[in-house]
Amino acid sequence: EDQVTQSPEALRLQEGESSSLNCSYTVSGLRGLFWYRQDPGKGPEFLFTLYSAGEEKEKERLKATLTKKESFLHITAPKPEDSATYLCAVQANSGNTPLVFGKGTRLSVIA
Amino acid sequence: KAGVTQTPRYLIKTRGQQVTLSCSPISGHRSVSWYQQTPGQGLQFLFEYFSETQRNKGNFPGRFSGRQFSNSRSEMNVSTLELGDSALYLCASSSQGTNTGELFFGEGSRLTVL
Repeated sequence: EDQVTQSPEALRLQEGESSSLNCSYTVSGLRGLFWYRQDPGKGPEFLFTLYSAGEEKEKERLKATLTKKESFLHITAPKPEDSATYLCAVQANSGNTPLVFGKGTRLSVIA
Repeated sequence: KAGVTQTPRYLIKTRGQQVTLSCSPISGHRSVSWYQQTPGQGLQFLFEYFSETQRNKGNFPGRFSGRQFSNSRSEMNVSTLELGDSALYLCASSSQGTNTGELFFGEGSRLTVL
């Protein structure tokens, strides 16, 4: 069974304090790993897709990396507007399989 | 370009009742997926429709059903509601389906079952 575990569950940072969120996964052949951001009262918003180990993607203060067992979302010099829940999802490489989501990391950035 | 629209945004039902939720995808998107989100379980896949055909189904009881119309709009129905059905129900659309992993989510329908 495909599984995604995200850690920590919650993270509180001071503005400018860089950190990383972790996403560990087990999947029977990885088609892709996806990062989403979810603000309170909103639906998730797509951030990145990673397909193979060693791949990196960047967007503003966010950088996502991928290994064979986990992915990291690095947040450099975060701002209060980066506060959100960050969700990781994987998709297996077998037919039309749905995304399997982790429970997310709730990030709070304090000014 | 209008986003994914879900209605109603909030609703309260009692046990045993049924509920129908609606989702209008982004124009041109033929795939609609439904997810249930709860604090304890996170996002769990319900089903996906592509061009009016159910292409995938998650591990939910038969009380949960859905359909997609020719204009790609989708509805999901939950019959004989239970307290545990209280959740945020999210709809997501995509031009190609879940294959791309890039889903566009609506803001959800928050269901409370009393």
